Amino acid sequence: DTAVSQTPKYLVTQMGNDKSIKCEQNLGHDTMYWYKQDSKKFLKIMFSYNNKELIINETVPNRFSPKSPDKAHLNLHINSLELGDSAVYFCASSQRGSGGEQFFGPGTRLTVL
Amino acid sequence: KNEVEQSPQNLTAQEGEFITINCSYSVGISALHWLQQHPGGGIVSLFMLSSGKKKHGRLIATINIQEKHSSLHITASHPRDSAVYICAVRGGTDKLIFGTGTRLQVFP
Repeated sequence: DTAVSQTPKYLVTQMGNDKSIKCEQNLGHDTMYWYKQDSKKFLKIMFSYNNKELIINETVPNRFSPKSPDKAHLNLHINSLELGDSAVYFCASSQRGSGGEQFFGPGTRLTVL
Repeated sequence: KNEVEQSPQNLTAQEGEFITINCSYSVGISALHWLQQHPGGGIVSLFMLSSGKKKHGRLIATINIQEKHSSLHITASHPRDSAVYICAVRGGTDKLIFGTGTRLQVFP
């Protein structure tokens, strides 16, 4: 009955590889987000989609490409992984107009070797 | 300087103590969120407020829009309250801007 789920929970990969992280929410929300939490535990918005439309795109290398096949899913694809991409990536969702409380997924810990 | 500043960065307390965590911000906001991140890593939304005060169990959150300041209080603290508490403000596009967090440890 998980509200916001992410897969995988852990991802260890070599520099230069391409990887994807998947996110799904079953809350019926219309807005989804990707956040990055660095080694100092600082959270920062990367992307936001509302009804499959990109509405927030922060200064993120274009090696990162979000894809929203439908309102309930927001995937993050990362090309040519670099050491600095190592972080915990959190997906979240909210319903616009309801006040904006965000519900977070459990996070995906990405380690690039 | 971060748009959202929290203090203190680290806080230790004895079980039962009253705890206050402060958050100041420098941008216009539509709402302020308090989040809790447990040692296991998961993030939970505690409060979302745009004015006044909210209470949930032993937790109380207040906000002063004029002073651009919010506080999170924990009454009768317990070791299970040990976590990182994160303040985040929401601007016009639903984008959250996060503070650097306050690490709280409550000892029995």
